[in-house]
Formats: sequence, structure tokens, C-alpha cells
Amino acid sequence: GAVVSQHPSWVICKSGTSVKIECRSLDFQATTMFWYRQFPKQSLMLMATSNEGSKATYEQGVEKDKFLINHASLTLSTLTVTSAHPEDSSFYICSARRQGRMGGVSYNEQFFGPGTRLTVL
Amino acid sequence: AQSVTQPDIHITVSEGASLELRCNYSYGATPYLFWYVQSPGQGLQLLLKYFSGDTLVQGIKGFETEFKRSQSSFNLRKPSVHWSDAAEYFCAGATDSWGKLQFGAGTQVVVTP
Repeated sequence: GAVVSQHPSWVICKSGTSVKIECRSLDFQATTMFWYRQFPKQSLMLMATSNEGSKATYEQGVEKDKFLINHASLTLSTLTVTSAHPEDSSFYICSARRQGRMGGVSYNEQFFGPGTRLTVL
Repeated sequence: AQSVTQPDIHITVSEGASLELRCNYSYGATPYLFWYVQSPGQGLQLLLKYFSGDTLVQGIKGFETEFKRSQSSFNLRKPSVHWSDAAEYFCAGATDSWGKLQFGAGTQVVVTP
């Protein structure tokens, strides 16, 4: 099956530092990946859509200069939280879209990574 | 505004009993609807999805749903729950199969012996 990994699974950093989170599709190529944020006991909120070889598309209210997204290859997207502050502490989840055709039928499905817990002190 | 709503934040069910998780949607046209399960340390797993056609959908792990346009509902059901079904369940919608997912608030399911 399609597997998406995230690294690290958890990270603790000091306020003001930058943190990079990686999202990898292990057994398929993903031209599109998504980054979500999930606060405790809350739902997933889409932050941005990451497209391989082009700029990410950010959702309204998400600071693109704070949450830098790079999708440099078909299997890797990175989210960098710059100058992190305690309010950035959250669970960050990525997903990768697998698409194609098999037997004349198109398929298109998102596969989710296990998430990264970020704690900013 | 387009949205999905899960009115139940928390549900407790006895092992072996039936389970129904509610989801209502608000879209201009028939949306693409999904149910995901989130377990600690694991990514969201797709249980089932509805795009069109037969309104009764069978998913994995014994889960099923019925798309009811008249009630704008997409409730998730399982006839007999197992202790391993304890998890967070999310309903999600999209305007098309390529669209961005909008998630409901989630329902935490606790299974008691």
C-alpha cells in the first residue's frame, strides 16, 4: 500500500529557532502534497498545498513567510516553521496525493503521514 | 459556506455493540465524502468514500455508510465494534475528487469491555 512518512515524529525547540519537517511518499510519486495543522482535540486545518516544482498555495490566514514549504522532488515536501513561538506548537500532518490510471480507470487518493508533534518552549 | 459537521465529540460504546457516528454536510452540489480514522502514532486511514452511484458504501474494517441526500447525512456505522476500533474518526468533504478536504471536528470513540 501507499506509505507516507514524516520526520521527525516529534520535536522540541526553543522560541525563535526554525524547525524543518519532512514529508516523504515512500512507494509512489506525489506531484501534490498537503500540509495540515491539528490542535489538541480539534480537527485538521489545511495550511497549504504543495506542488512539485512550483510555489505552494497557502490557505487564507496562513503566513507563507512563517511556514515555508518546499516540494523539490516527487517524493519529498518540507515544511519549515521559521522563528517558532509557543503558539506554533501543534501537530503537523502531511498528506500525499497518489493519482494515475489502472485498467482504464482513474484513481486519486490522499495518503496521510503519521504527523509531527512540535513543541516550542 | 461549504462544511461538514460532526455533532458528537465523544461516544462511548460497549464492545460488541453497534456504532453510528453522525456526519452532516453542507455543499451546493453533491460533495465527495470520506470517513477517516486516526489512531495514535499512525496517519489518518481512509475507511470509505462516496463519489456517486450506490448510496450504500462498504468500507474496510467492517464499516459502512449510507449517503442520504434528503438528510444531508453521511453517517458511519459498524454492526459490532471491537476494542481496536477505539480511535478518533473524521468525516471529510470535498467539491471534487481532486479538491481540498474539509474535515469535521472529529468524534472520539471509546470502547468499553
